[in-house]
Amino acid sequence: AQSVTQLGSHVSVSEGALVLLRCNYSSSVPPYLFWYVQYPNQGLQLLLKYTSAATLVKGINGFEAEFKKSETSFHLTKPSAHMSDAAEYFCAVSTRRFGNEKLTFGTGTRLTIIP
Amino acid sequence: DTAVSQTPKYLVTQMGNDKSIKCEQNLGHDTMYWYKQDSKKFLKIMFSYNNKELIINETVPNRFSPKSPDKAHLNLHINSLELGDSAVYFCASSQAHRSTDTQYFGPGTRLTVL
Repeated sequence: AQSVTQLGSHVSVSEGALVLLRCNYSSSVPPYLFWYVQYPNQGLQLLLKYTSAATLVKGINGFEAEFKKSETSFHLTKPSAHMSDAAEYFCAVSTRRFGNEKLTFGTGTRLTIIP
Repeated sequence: DTAVSQTPKYLVTQMGNDKSIKCEQNLGHDTMYWYKQDSKKFLKIMFSYNNKELIINETVPNRFSPKSPDKAHLNLHINSLELGDSAVYFCASSQAHRSTDTQYFGPGTRLTVL
């Protein structure tokens, strides 16, 4: 079975500071990894995804993530936080295993930006 | 134009009632999903349909019955509502039922059971 663990249910950073949201995965087969963002009272929106091409993935709004197999990690970063980045962030995993093409989400990290 | 839309946005009802949530996507996608997000924001898949065929059916009480009249619609009917059904329900769609496909989410339906 696949799973993801997001370390830190709440992260606060100052505006302009580095954003780092942590995600570790567990999967018995090569994973596909996703970061989704949820703004208040809205649905989820894809930030970026890793599907076994380049290990450093660039997404929307200046976010990027690096797939590290040796560390089973897919941490999300952004060099400089903006007030509009305040939201809930979800890491998710899926695999190519036939019949199990579903997303399994982590428990989310709420990002707060301090002015 | 809204890509994935859900109605209603809010639903407040009494225990024991039956209710439906509707979902429509105008992206031309083949696959649609229902997710449940609980009060702790944990998001879990309930069902997926591909070309109107049920693919994923997680451990969900049989009081929940999805119906897909066509590829663009996936409705969720819930019988005999219970307090524990209170949650936000999200519909989503993707181009196909592939693990790499991006899922596009609707705005959610907040269900409150009193």
